[in-house]
Amino acid sequence: GNSVTQMEGPVTLSEEAFLTINCTYTATGYPSLFWYVQYPGEGLQLLLKATKADDKGSNKGFEATYRKETTSFHLEKGSVQVSDSAVYFCALSANTGGFKTIFGAGTRLFVKA
Amino acid sequence: GAVVSQHPSWVICKSGTSVKIECRSLDFQATTMFWYRQFPKQSLMLMATSNEGSKATYEQGVEKDKFLINHASLTLSTLTVTSAHPEDSSFYICSALRLAGGNEQFFGPGTRLTVL
Repeated sequence: GNSVTQMEGPVTLSEEAFLTINCTYTATGYPSLFWYVQYPGEGLQLLLKATKADDKGSNKGFEATYRKETTSFHLEKGSVQVSDSAVYFCALSANTGGFKTIFGAGTRLFVKA
Repeated sequence: GAVVSQHPSWVICKSGTSVKIECRSLDFQATTMFWYRQFPKQSLMLMATSNEGSKATYEQGVEKDKFLINHASLTLSTLTVTSAHPEDSSFYICSALRLAGGNEQFFGPGTRLTVL
């Protein structure tokens, strides 16, 4: 079945450091890939998405590229801010699965000033 | 972007009572909605797929008699936690699938349920 694996956290960085959160997936067909962010006490917000191979999703300085050959969708940001502290979820959705979204375990990011 | 609301945003109830949570798509019609449960510091676990006008499809291990789902209209799905117990305390999140414009899911802000 479909699944998502992302790096365990927590990840602690200093402000302006480079961020990478690894995500790999297993899926039949051609899934869409997503990164969601959850701030403390809040629901999920879509951060970025990519719907086909080699697509790059980007938003608020975050980027992720859909790599079919490595089944990966790693999240990157060149310079993190304290306000980026949150939990980040990698996810996939495939029409072969009835469009159900499957989430990774989440990676908690702490950014220190 | 599309908006999905949940009501209430939080609820505290006594053990043995039932609690209803509403999920509404405010600016689009959704024949399919999803209900997730999130435990503290954990990921979202899909509980069930709610289909307008038909029975919900539950994931393995989810008690359908415990978590009643009704999707009576194209903009509203409800989750009722029946005879709630402390172990049902959790953060419940719904999402609505918008087919127009690329099959995108939009998530509600979540409902925090605390059962005393």
